[in-house]
Amino acid sequence: ETGVTQTPRHLVMGMTNKKSLKCEQHLGHNAMYWYKQSAKKPLELMFVYNFKEQTENNSVPSRFSPECPNSSHLFLHLHTLQPEDSALYLCASSQVGTGRQPQHFGDGTRLSIL
Amino acid sequence: DAKTTQPNSMESNEEEPVHLPCNHSTISGTDYIHWYRQLPSQGPEYVIHGLTSNVNNRMASLAIAEDRKSSTLILHRATLRDAAVYYCILRDVGGTSYGKLTFGQGTILTVHP
Repeated sequence: ETGVTQTPRHLVMGMTNKKSLKCEQHLGHNAMYWYKQSAKKPLELMFVYNFKEQTENNSVPSRFSPECPNSSHLFLHLHTLQPEDSALYLCASSQVGTGRQPQHFGDGTRLSIL
Repeated sequence: DAKTTQPNSMESNEEEPVHLPCNHSTISGTDYIHWYRQLPSQGPEYVIHGLTSNVNNRMASLAIAEDRKSSTLILHRATLRDAAVYYCILRDVGGTSYGKLTFGQGTILTVHP
């Protein structure tokens, strides 16, 4: 139990579907992150939110739309995805700001695009 | 971002110590050295971090070279549950990076019974 919960754990969707990934943290953190982990590739940072404000978008295509309604919840809305978007999507949280604070990860959503 | 270099894989026997090396020759004065590990079918898990001095916690020890250009993660007695991918990451304290993590390929640790 890491304190970061992601749902669903597995998702299969067609390229024309719309779905959302959800992340919730119970650690009192004020920064949240989305990462993508494709097969045979390192984890890639997608988005960073600090105090509900997006502070980083790592050149992510617009078919991925994040939402952070409060410091405890983070969503990733998916629309018109491509087969290459099949990957493990990981959410993390931490305290804002310094390089000292560790990030706590959820166990991810395994996404498959048909 | 300063880069790290780790061996692709290492092997160990159960109950023996494991020393996982990491080179970071371009480290800056404001970079913390972090280690994470990722067990199969799980998200990454924080292990330990340090700046200049050696660090110990319940999971592992971190030995940092005096010039900070390399570090070693030490698992004192490996168990089968320590089999994972281990990532050595530099995190910048300052600037606008917000302490983000940049993952490399890591070291795949195999532990033999």
